[in-house]
Amino acid sequence: AQSVTQPDIHITVSEGASLELRCNYSYGATPYLFWYVQSPGQGLQLLLKYFSGDTLVQGIKGFEAEFKRSQSSFNLRKPSVHWSDAAEYFCASQGRRALTFGSGTRLQVQP
Amino acid sequence: DTAVSQTPKYLVTQMGNDKSIKCEQNLGHDTMYWYKQDSKKFLKIMFSYNNKELIINETVPNRFSPKSPDKAHLNLHINSLELGDSAVYFCASSPRQGQGGYTFGSGTRLTVV
Repeated sequence: AQSVTQPDIHITVSEGASLELRCNYSYGATPYLFWYVQSPGQGLQLLLKYFSGDTLVQGIKGFEAEFKRSQSSFNLRKPSVHWSDAAEYFCASQGRRALTFGSGTRLQVQP
Repeated sequence: DTAVSQTPKYLVTQMGNDKSIKCEQNLGHDTMYWYKQDSKKFLKIMFSYNNKELIINETVPNRFSPKSPDKAHLNLHINSLELGDSAVYFCASSPRQGQGGYTFGSGTRLTVV
């Protein structure tokens, strides 16, 4: 069965610093991969998605992610973090019938 | 206009009660889902309907019963509520089955006391 792993439960960065959130997937074929963000008390918002083609994907709010088949990874990056980026981030993989989510990474932003 | 709307947003109820959560989407999507998010934020698929047909029914107690009167609505009824049912329940929709990029509702926080 496919699975998605987010190794970092909690990350703290300073405002203005760069960010990288890790995601590893296990799936035989080319996966469809997603990053979602959940602000406190809110639903999940899609940041970006990868289906095929260019392995560097641009998303909303200045986020990007890079698909690396050799490392089974789909890491999320942002060059300069804003205080409003503090939230829970979920990586997900499209299964045959539904999305499978990682356990999430909580991002804290220090002033 | 909210794309995927859930009601109620908060639900506090006693053990043993029966309750329902409603979900509606105005995106014209064919497929709708219920996910449960536990206290550790882990999201687990419960059910999925595609054009009113049940296509996913994960290992969920049969106290939970989804109902889809039409493809824009997916409700969740829970009988004999237990403490362990306390969680946030999210409804989501996608254009077609197997197509990611879900749109999520804002969730229903269920607290069983």
